[in-house]
Amino acid sequence: EVHLVESGGGLVQPGGSLRLSCSASGFTFSSYAMHWVRQAPGKGLEYVSTISSNGGSTYYADSVKGRFTISRDNSKNTLYLQTSSLRAEDTAVYYCVKDEHYSSNWSPLGGWGQGTLVTVSS
Amino acid sequence: AIRMTQSPSSFSASTGDRVTITCRASQGISSYLAWYQQKPGKAPKLLIYAASTLQSGVPSRFSGSESGTDFTLTISCLQSEDFATYYCQQYYSYPLTFGGGTKVEIK
Repeated sequence: EVHLVESGGGLVQPGGSLRLSCSASGFTFSSYAMHWVRQAPGKGLEYVSTISSNGGSTYYADSVKGRFTISRDNSKNTLYLQTSSLRAEDTAVYYCVKDEHYSSNWSPLGGWGQGTLVTVSS
Repeated sequence: AIRMTQSPSSFSASTGDRVTITCRASQGISSYLAWYQQKPGKAPKLLIYAASTLQSGVPSRFSGSESGTDFTLTISCLQSEDFATYYCQQYYSYPLTFGGGTKVEIK
């Protein structure tokens, strides 16, 4: 069974940084692209970032480009999201998500973690 | 970025109703369209991918269809557990994009 557990969220001041982590189990982590998707309180889903299975390709939403960095450690089955220059509008639950299909250029989003809340406020 | 326009944003329905939610892509996305269900306080769950393929374990009352850049999620006979928010999402190109969501409430 796919198991994704996010950590690292919390309260941070505007302009601050946080490193989110996602520990994965129940599947061959190194075979799947991974994503971060966020959801502001009471709002819809918003794409944040993607990293390919080997880490060689990364993608970002325009809203976080230059401020967030996605990475992974396949030896530790862990996904990361380094956030910086945080703004109030970055306040959201951040979900770690795996591709449904392995080694595919086009895959829906399969397993989701339960999310970690990031609150940006002074 | 490809814009996904979902409608309606919310509506009320009764158990047993047939309901339809639509999603329009701002450009062609082939059939790379997924539907997700989200209940309050929970992570989204994949229902349908490739516009019309039912994810394993999802009840057959859920179905998806497409016509050009217009996509439809249909629930043939609404059950109590189906009251939730539904999102469409394109995975044709990056950045991935979601529709704004449709909240299905009890009438």
